[in-house]
Amino acid sequence: DADVTQTPRNRITKTGKRIMLECSQTKGHDRMYWYRQDPGLGLRLIYYSFDVKDINKGEISDGYSVSRQAQAKFSLSLESAIPNQTALYFCATSSVEREETQYFGPGTRLLVL
Amino acid sequence: AQSVSQHNHHVILSEAASLELGCNYSYGGTVNLFWYVQYPGQHLQLLLKYFSGDPLVKGIKGFEAEFIKSKFSFNLRKPSVQWSDTAEYFCAVNKYGGATNKLIFGTGTLLAVQP
Repeated sequence: DADVTQTPRNRITKTGKRIMLECSQTKGHDRMYWYRQDPGLGLRLIYYSFDVKDINKGEISDGYSVSRQAQAKFSLSLESAIPNQTALYFCATSSVEREETQYFGPGTRLLVL
Repeated sequence: AQSVSQHNHHVILSEAASLELGCNYSYGGTVNLFWYVQYPGQHLQLLLKYFSGDPLVKGIKGFEAEFIKSKFSFNLRKPSVQWSDTAEYFCAVNKYGGATNKLIFGTGTLLAVQP
């Protein structure tokens, strides 16, 4: 969805390096999410945020941190990358309405050597 | 805890064959149900969703899904698949009216359609 963008789209880094993945949205949604996708495991929630002052851990938050700089921006950081964090990372957004459909960004493919 | 099961991990079909992908969830309350599709190299896109009303939901590209509450199921169907339907399909569930909108995803079903 062009309304949700992620940078970078691909990244190779080394073990121990700090890396930040960024997500921006123009949909005007207040809720944002970070997922990682691994083959055979589907998507798993890392962190989510319902507004700028609200940050919550998902099911696999260890080794990650996030920052909600503005309503439209939600960054995911790996403070010290490790190889098992190699995955496809997706950002998603949704609004506070009944239907609460989540809209996904194009993904960031991360390889940790 | 809520969970979503997709029993078919890989499905291979020939063009024009009928498709049914299974999805079962474990939550006993009122739920919202989704099917997302991920075409090769692309992001997840919403295929269809169910919130209430008619349990037979029609989505894009000729897909439909039927919510059967007694079976906790939300199976995806298409009468005649095309090569362009080759993709990974994810079922997802969240709790209707809950304080959070945490989608629980199944592990996905990889569909390969042979021409």
